[in-house]
Amino acid sequence: AQSVTQPDIHITVSEGASLELRCNYSYGATPYLFWYVQSPGQGLQLLLKYFSGDTLVQGIKGFEAEFKRSQSSFNLRKPSVHWSDAAEYFCAVGAIGGNEKLTFGTGTRLTIIP
Amino acid sequence: NAGVTQTPKFQVLKTGQSMTLQCAQDMNHNSMYWYRQDPGMGLRLIYYSASEGTTDKGEVPNGYNVSRLNKREFSLRLESAAPSQTSVYFCASSEGRGEKKLFFGSGTQLSVL
Repeated sequence: AQSVTQPDIHITVSEGASLELRCNYSYGATPYLFWYVQSPGQGLQLLLKYFSGDTLVQGIKGFEAEFKRSQSSFNLRKPSVHWSDAAEYFCAVGAIGGNEKLTFGTGTRLTIIP
Repeated sequence: NAGVTQTPKFQVLKTGQSMTLQCAQDMNHNSMYWYRQDPGMGLRLIYYSASEGTTDKGEVPNGYNVSRLNKREFSLRLESAAPSQTSVYFCASSEGRGEKKLFFGSGTQLSVL
């Protein structure tokens, strides 16, 4: 069975600083990987996804993520965070082929300080 | 373009009461899902419907039933609510063509007293 681990429950970053959110997955083959963002009181919005090909993927709002097969990781990065990036971030994994169910991690809450 | 619409946004129930959470999407998507979100546990899949006329259990289906009324609508029913079902419920939809891109509603916050 597939699973996702987000080891950081809460991260605080100064505005303008760089950001890296960690995600590790468990799956028997190369999975589909996703990062979603949830603003307070809202549903989840897709930031980016990895299916195959280039292991560095670009997403919306200036985010990027790198797939590292050897480390079973898919970390999310942003060079310079803005106050509006404060939200909860979820990593998710899906199996290649078959249905479209996703397994989500427990989330990382990002706080931005001035 | 409304996307995925959930009703109600908030609900308080007493233990043993029943209710139905409604979800509708206007994107002509084939697949629909119900997730619950609990602190420290992320999102867990309750039920999903890969296509109109089919439904399948997810990770935490006990205490819930679903109906895929038509291609647009997917409802979640709690027959006898329990305090353990206090949660935020999200409906989502996807095209169902393998891309696995889910679109989420804004959620229903349910409290069972």
